[in-house]
Amino acid sequence: AQKITQTQPGMFVQEKEAVTLDCTYDTSDPSYGLFWYKQPSSGEMIFLIYQGSYDQQNATEGRYSLNFQKARKSANLVISASQLGDSAMYFCAMREGGRGGGNKLTFGTGTQLKVEL
Amino acid sequence: NAGVTQTPKFRVLKTGQSMTLLCAQDMNHEYMYWYRQDPGMGLRLIHYSVGEGTTAKGEVPDGYNVSRLKKQNFLLGLESAAPSQTSVYFCASSRLAGQETQYFGPGTRLLVL
Repeated sequence: AQKITQTQPGMFVQEKEAVTLDCTYDTSDPSYGLFWYKQPSSGEMIFLIYQGSYDQQNATEGRYSLNFQKARKSANLVISASQLGDSAMYFCAMREGGRGGGNKLTFGTGTQLKVEL
Repeated sequence: NAGVTQTPKFRVLKTGQSMTLLCAQDMNHEYMYWYRQDPGMGLRLIHYSVGEGTTAKGEVPDGYNVSRLKKQNFLLGLESAAPSQTSVYFCASSRLAGQETQYFGPGTRLLVL
């Protein structure tokens, strides 16, 4: 089974609108972390936001928020007030285990977001 | 502060040739990683290291070797390149586990003919 599933290969959103990018995960480990990265066309990987499995509140970083639904095993990224510069590939990733796990990440296949005028 | 750097940025190899990709980080991070990115498959972990002198296999280690002789450097070697190793290779580093993110290098684009 896929550990990280991103079911939306591509998404379109109009400028200034909000958009939700879906991510579901599969793990039996009680301690895990969820990350979102942005990859623009230039290719670099940019860290956006982190959610720990024991965090009580949803993570927020500026226009990014993570809608964490633990029982559903989902960690959707919400981008508010989309900008043209948000057009990029977005990856969800999971780190399983505690400090002995090497902090390894498993990535989803990504969602290509296009922001339109 | 350069962060994570990768050398070279782009390389073309013929089948059977060997090469080494160099990753360097100046953040004194303990952990380092090599990933490959292929279209439609996200990033997959090749090998990683939790400290100087240590290495471990990731999800797709076959055909690659690594070494971490110095804390700041992590080398990825291809002994006999194959067309299936055509990919974009990313190096990353992080501090000890926790909420710490991984910091990625700019990537190396490798084409094996």
